[in-house]
Amino acid sequence: GESVGLHLPTLSVQEGDNSIINCAYSNSASDYFIWYKQESGKGPQFIIDIRSNMDKRQGQRVTVLLNKTVKHLSLQIAATQPGDSAVYFCAENQAGTALIFGKGTTLSVSS
Amino acid sequence: DSGVTQTPKHLITATGQRVTLRCSPRSGDLSVYWYQQSLDQGLQFLIQYYNGEERAKGNILERFSAQQFPDLHSELNLSSLELGDSALYFCASSVGGADPETQYFGPGTRLLVL
Repeated sequence: GESVGLHLPTLSVQEGDNSIINCAYSNSASDYFIWYKQESGKGPQFIIDIRSNMDKRQGQRVTVLLNKTVKHLSLQIAATQPGDSAVYFCAENQAGTALIFGKGTTLSVSS
Repeated sequence: DSGVTQTPKHLITATGQRVTLRCSPRSGDLSVYWYQQSLDQGLQFLIQYYNGEERAKGNILERFSAQQFPDLHSELNLSSLELGDSALYFCASSVGGADPETQYFGPGTRLLVL
């Protein structure tokens, strides 16, 4: 079936570096995408979202880019901090129903 | 803190037993979703309720059922438990409109079936 996936299961960066986490989706009908951060023992926490009529959206230290041509989504974290260490999931959503999650990328930030 | 609450935080039970997980959505949210997170399957959608009515079903086993009450809290019932049901169970809520919208997750219930 169609699903949302991530390119790399793990990413290790140094504190202060910029991080880029990638995600590929296969359903061209998807119209809403969300990035979640999940720390150990906690529920997924909303980071940023983007709708299919946009190609870029910026938040505080985070930017999401959407390339509909190649069905690719990325999350950029500027000046990565140890507190950013977590598992990051992209999720796809259509018409307000279920989120379809990728398998997650574990970001490790060393100081 | 997302505003979604779940109880209990942890649950340990035996195979064959039945448990009930509880979720209270954020104030004003009408939609509640249940997800299961296991190590090998990632986050899987189980079921969605909107204002008391079932709206969508995902990979929910027949041994599992859910409901949403008039005060909008929801319960997920898991019966005839098997070892493989051990997982984290998350509830999420959203306003529940027709457009795609952000879902906010609770802290989860960790279920261990022995």
